[in-house]
Parts: sequence; C-alpha cells; structure tokens
Amino acid sequence: KAGVTQTPRYLIKTRGQQVTLSCSPISGHRSVSWYQQTPGQGLQFLFEYFSETQRNKGNFPGRFSGRQFSNSRSEMNVSTLELGDSALYLCASLTGRGNTEAFFGQGTRLTVV
Amino acid sequence: QKEVEQNSGPLSVPEGAIASLNCTYSDRGSQSFFWYRQYSGKSPELIMFIYSNGDKEDGRFTAQLNKASQYVSLLIRDSQPSDSATYLCAAYTGGFKTIFGAGTRLFVKA
Repeated sequence: KAGVTQTPRYLIKTRGQQVTLSCSPISGHRSVSWYQQTPGQGLQFLFEYFSETQRNKGNFPGRFSGRQFSNSRSEMNVSTLELGDSALYLCASLTGRGNTEAFFGQGTRLTVV
Repeated sequence: QKEVEQNSGPLSVPEGAIASLNCTYSDRGSQSFFWYRQYSGKSPELIMFIYSNGDKEDGRFTAQLNKASQYVSLLIRDSQPSDSATYLCAAYTGGFKTIFGAGTRLFVKA
C-alpha cells in the first residue's frame, strides 16, 4: 500500500513570494492534516481537511491556506512568504474518524531567503 | 500556554536501562494520546496510542495515562542505541485536531 506522498521535498523561495505544497494521502484515507515543524516549537497544527471541507484550523495567519480535492489530495499555500515561514511542513494522512493515528509524509523543507 | 508539554531533554540513558518520557496536557477533554518517534531528518512514526487510564504494553514500550493528573508517559525498557530519537507526545483534543508537544530528545549510550 502506497504511503503518504509530499511534493516537493525541498523548496527555496524569496520573501514575498508564494508557495504551494502538495500531499497525497494513503489510498482510502479521506482526511489530511497539515503541520509546521520548527526547532523548539514541535509540530504546530495548521488545518485539517475531510471530503474537501476544512474541519478545523490552527492559529496561523490568513497567509496560510489549504484545500482538498475530490480524490483526497490536498494542497497548502503560503502567500507573501516571510523568513519565519522557513520550516518543515508535514502532511498527515488519517482515516477521517478523528480519533486515530496519523501517518506522516516525508515533509517539504521550505527555506525562505 | 502550550497544550501539550514535554521536557525537551536531552534525556541520556545507558544501553539496557529504562528510559522514561513524560508529557502533560492542558485540555481535560482530550480523548486519546499518542507517542510518535522521529529520527533526525525523518517524519514521525507512531509507537503507541492509549485511550484509557492505566498502562498499555507493547513489546519494550509501555504507555501510561493518568487523566486525573493529565499526565502521559512512555517507558522504554532495555533501551537500545537505535532508540535514540525525538519522542513526540500528542493528544487528540476533538474537532479533528491532534496537538503535539515539542518533543523530548533521547540519547541511548552504547
């Protein structure tokens, strides 16, 4: 069974630019959560999508947005990039029932210069 | 206030010893708890999950949950150098949201 696929693996962007990250969950999983991981802060919850609907979101500015497609693939977008957005962005694949384990992709390492 | 708190470590234990990792959470409505292991440069992977008060054992790992004290722990018996990693405690708080602690770095010395 294929795992969680995140693309791209690495990105270097300039301040002010925007970026789009992609995540394909495990086949049959309908929920995708996105997390930002930085040293010392751990994983910070960005948002969760299920059946193309955002069911919850974390405390991030509106520059961070996401969406989910009918095939459960999800994208997150960060606009007007800031240096502080440099982080590892992890996508988690879940069944959608809520109270279950998350399977993580390898992440996208974003560097803003 | 962080919702899931962990000691960042590093926690250093000799090979063969018991490693004890602790976590507290602030949301009394948290329903279930997870321990993930993350090797450097890799993504987190699940080790244990626990829903009920008490202990849950799986091989060398034991998770302990005390909802009255809002406390979760992970014991690793017969620690091996390959156990050296960052251990993340997570709580499902409802609303399809799982909150993670910042993680505890564990070093197992050969």
